[in-house]
Order: sequence, then structure tokens, then C-alpha cells
Amino acid sequence: GENVEQHPSTLSVQEGDSAVIKCTYSDSASNYFPWYKQELGKRPQLIIDIRSNVGEKKDQRIAVTLNKTAKHFSLHITETQPEDSAVYFCAASAGNEKLTFGTGTRLTIIP
Amino acid sequence: NAGVTQTPKFRILKIGQSMTLQCTQDMNHNYMYWYRQDPGMGLKLIYYSVGAGITDKGEVPNGYNVSRSTTEDFPLRLELAAPSQTSVYFCASRTASGNTIYFGEGSWLTVV
Repeated sequence: GENVEQHPSTLSVQEGDSAVIKCTYSDSASNYFPWYKQELGKRPQLIIDIRSNVGEKKDQRIAVTLNKTAKHFSLHITETQPEDSAVYFCAASAGNEKLTFGTGTRLTIIP
Repeated sequence: NAGVTQTPKFRILKIGQSMTLQCTQDMNHNYMYWYRQDPGMGLKLIYYSVGAGITDKGEVPNGYNVSRSTTEDFPLRLELAAPSQTSVYFCASRTASGNTIYFGEGSWLTVV
């Protein structure tokens, strides 16, 4: 089955700086790659996703890039703000019923 | 729409007890899922269902059972609770054609 690895497990950045979280996947059939944000004690919520037919997608300060050849994808957050502090999960799906999650990155924004 | 609703939110169980985590969604989603999230860890799939009457195992199904008698409800049953089942449980759902998974608020379970 699919295996998703996520790095780093923790990340601290100064407010205003950029943060990058990287994921690799194993199943070359995977074609859908979402990112979820989970605030402390809350449910995961989708923040951005990308499909395999595009290489990059942006939504305001958040962007995701995908390299299908290398089987990795990344989340980029620019101009970080205190409310960006959370745990971020990447995931991958081969277009079937199941979504496989990475182990998460705890992002801390230092004021 | 209430979305995905889970009950109870918190529960303490003794070793060997059994219980059912309830999950219901009002979005007419075909696909429903149960995940567990151990402290500081990612989400692991326990069971999933692609429609009423159909269920299948995920990565970590041992010690759990599910049923899907209606589109709306997908209860998770814990038999003979063990300390290793201490976790946060999330129910989730999505449409058959869409990819976005919507999560419930989670159920915190402690087995002592």
C-alpha cells in the first residue's frame, strides 16, 4: 500500500519568515495530494490540495508544489503569522477510497 | 448541515470493557472512515465504508468492528478495550466523486 513520509516533524520559524514542509510518497499511482491543518484539540481541516496534472497551486500565502518524477510534494507558507501555528499533515491517494496521511509537522511561529 | 457528528467526545473505559463510538453525517456522503490519532502521531485508518452495507479494513483494524446499516451512520465498536486503544478517534466522510474528506470533532478515549 501507499506510504507517506513527512519532514520535518517539528519546525519553528520567526513570524514573517517562510515555512516549508516536505512529503514523499511511494505509490506512483497516487494522483491526489491534500494538506490538512490541525489546531490543538481540533479536527484536521483541509487547507489546500493538488492533483497530479498540475505542478503548483497557490492560495494566498499558501502554495503546494508537486514533483511526480521524484514522488514528492511540499507545502510552502509565506509571511507566517502566529495563527499558522498548528500541526500540518500531508496525504496521498491513488484516486480510490483511501487517503494515507503523513506523520505530521508541528509548526511553531515565534513572535 | 451539522456535518460529521461524533459522540461521545470524551470517555474513560476500564480494560476489558466494550463501547461504541457513534458517528453520523447529514451530507449524504457515500464514503465514511474511522481514523485513530495517537499523541503526537498521524492519522491511521481503522475501517472505512463506501456505502450502506459495505465495510472494509484499513491499516489498524484489530480490536475494532464497524457496521454501516444506513448512509448516515457508521458506528465503531471496541470489544475488550486495551490500553493500546487509548487514542483520539476521528470519523470522517466524503462524496464518492469528491476527494475532500470532512472530519468530525473527535472522540478522546482513555483505557485504564
